[in-house]
Amino acid sequence: SQKIEQNSEALNIQEGKTATLTCNYTNYSPAYLQWYRQDPGRGPVFLLLIRENEKEKRKERLKVTFDTTLKQSLFHITASQPADSATYLCALATTGFQKLVFGTGTRLLVSP
Amino acid sequence: NAGVTQTPKFRILKIGQSMTLQCTQDMNHNYMYWYRQDPGMGLKLIYYSVGAGITDKGEVPNGYNVSRSTTEDFPLRLELAAPSQTSVYFCASSYGTEDEKLFFGSGTQLSVL
Repeated sequence: SQKIEQNSEALNIQEGKTATLTCNYTNYSPAYLQWYRQDPGRGPVFLLLIRENEKEKRKERLKVTFDTTLKQSLFHITASQPADSATYLCALATTGFQKLVFGTGTRLLVSP
Repeated sequence: NAGVTQTPKFRILKIGQSMTLQCTQDMNHNYMYWYRQDPGMGLKLIYYSVGAGITDKGEVPNGYNVSRSTTEDFPLRLELAAPSQTSVYFCASSYGTEDEKLFFGSGTQLSVL
């Protein structure tokens, strides 16, 4: 069966460190993968998109990698800040109409 | 720009009641979506629309209905509410080009008791 898996346990890190979140998938051939941030009581907000033919994408302190052999995407936040504390969702779509399929999300807690 | 606006923010229904969740967007987006989010679960697609007059089922459509009479509005109708429909509902929109990002509303928290 098709699955998208993100670590359900919260990730606790100290301010200034690099946070790394994982998104694994099985039985999908995604054309691209997106990452969203979700704060409590709010809707998800788009952060980054990476296509199947891209290895890495960066935006300010954020970096996403995409390994189609391992069927995995890694999401990095460098120099993390308490304001980065939130739940991060990965979502993927196959070619054609983009019915995004979302993972369950990983909660990140950055302590001062 | 207000973006995607959902109303109400909270609602409690009794089993068997009906209601409509409202969603409107002011970005002239062609595509609109309804998702539900349950604790510990990913967002599940209920229905989507690629333009006015066109709707289609997503992953979990049972117990819901939608309509899309205008580009701006995409209401979600719950008929005969059941406890299994207790969830947080999110409306989203996008331009509809491939790999386009979604813009989400702030959600409606619905409890069916």
